[in-house]
This record gives sequence, structure tokens and C-alpha cells, in this order.
Amino acid sequence: EDQVTQSPEALRLQEGESSSLNCSYTVSGLRGLFWYRQDPGKGPEFLFTLYSAGEEKEKERLKATLTKKESFLHITAPKPEDSATYLCAVQGNRDDKIIFGKGTRLHILP
Amino acid sequence: EAQVTQNPRYLITVTGKKLTVTCSQNMNHEYMSWYRQDPGLGLRQIYYSMNVEVTDKGDVPEGYKVSRKEKRNFPLILESPSPNQTSLYFCASSFNHRPGNIQYFGAGTRLSVL
Repeated sequence: EDQVTQSPEALRLQEGESSSLNCSYTVSGLRGLFWYRQDPGKGPEFLFTLYSAGEEKEKERLKATLTKKESFLHITAPKPEDSATYLCAVQGNRDDKIIFGKGTRLHILP
Repeated sequence: EAQVTQNPRYLITVTGKKLTVTCSQNMNHEYMSWYRQDPGLGLRQIYYSMNVEVTDKGDVPEGYKVSRKEKRNFPLILESPSPNQTSLYFCASSFNHRPGNIQYFGAGTRLSVL
């Protein structure tokens, strides 16, 4: 069964304190791994898609990386506006379902 | 403006009273999905549709129905709602089912079943 586990559940950082969020996955033939940002009371907003091990993508202070078993979302010198829940999801080759992890709640203190 | 529109945004109902949550997208997308989001459980896919008249079960389809008669609309139907269907619901769409396509989400529908 396809599965996504995110850690930690919650993370509090000081402004400027870099860190990483983890997404471990098991999937039958990875077709894509996705990162989303979700602000309170809103729908998730797409950040990145990664397709194969070794791939990296960047957007502003965020960088996503992928291995055969996990993905990391690195946040460099975060600002308070980066506070949100970050969601990881996978799509395998068994069917066209998308499986989400439970998310990491990130809080950046000014 | 590219949009996924859900209605209503908030709904309180009673057990057993049939309801429909509408979802419409203006991007000519083929792939549409419904998710529910619950504390501690994350986002779980209820149903998805690859195109008109093509629908398939996600991970938690029990108690829900969907239809895809037109490309732009993908309503979620609860024939006999129960309290365990109290949740935050999201509709989403993407150009097609291939992973390279960005999935756009609606603003959500908060449903309470008493």
C-alpha cells in the first residue's frame, strides 16, 4: 500500500534559522512527489513536483530534494511569512490516486 | 483568473438529509478530485475523475457519490450524511492525471453533520 509519512509534525524556528522537513514514502513505482503549502483556512498551494532520485528544485527560500525513499524540503533563512503547513504527496504507477502525508506545521518566530 | 470554485463554503446539516457540494473549474482541466481533511489524518482522496464520465474511487469513497457529466463540474453528493462525515472538503483540478501537472485547489467547504 502506498504511504507517506512526514516529520516532524510541528516545528518552531526563529527567523533566519534554517532547517529541513522530511517526507518518507513507499509507493509502487513513483511517478511524482509533490510539495504543497497550506495556510490556515485555505486550500493547498502547489510548490514543487519531483520525479526521480537526485532531482532538486528551488523556489525562493525553499529547496526540495528527492531520494529513492524520502524527500526533504529545506528552508533557508526563513521569515515569519513562511509559517504554514507543508504537505507532501505521491502518485505511483499502480493507479492515478494521490496520497498525502499528514503535513508539518511550521511556525517561524520573528 | 484560473479558479476552482466550491459551494457552499460552510454547511451545517442533519443526519440523513441529502446534500450536494458543487465544484467548478474554468481551466478546461481533465483531472478533478475531491479530498477530505481531518485533524491528525491529513488530506485523503475521496474520488477522482480523469475526464467526462470517467470516475474512480480514492482512499475513502464510502458514503459519497460523484458525477462528471461536464468537464468543468464535479459535484460531491452525500446521499445520507452521517456525523463521521463532518470534515473540511477540498475540490482540486489539474490539466490531466500526469504528475507534471499542477493541482489547483478550491477554498474548501466546511461541513458539519449533526
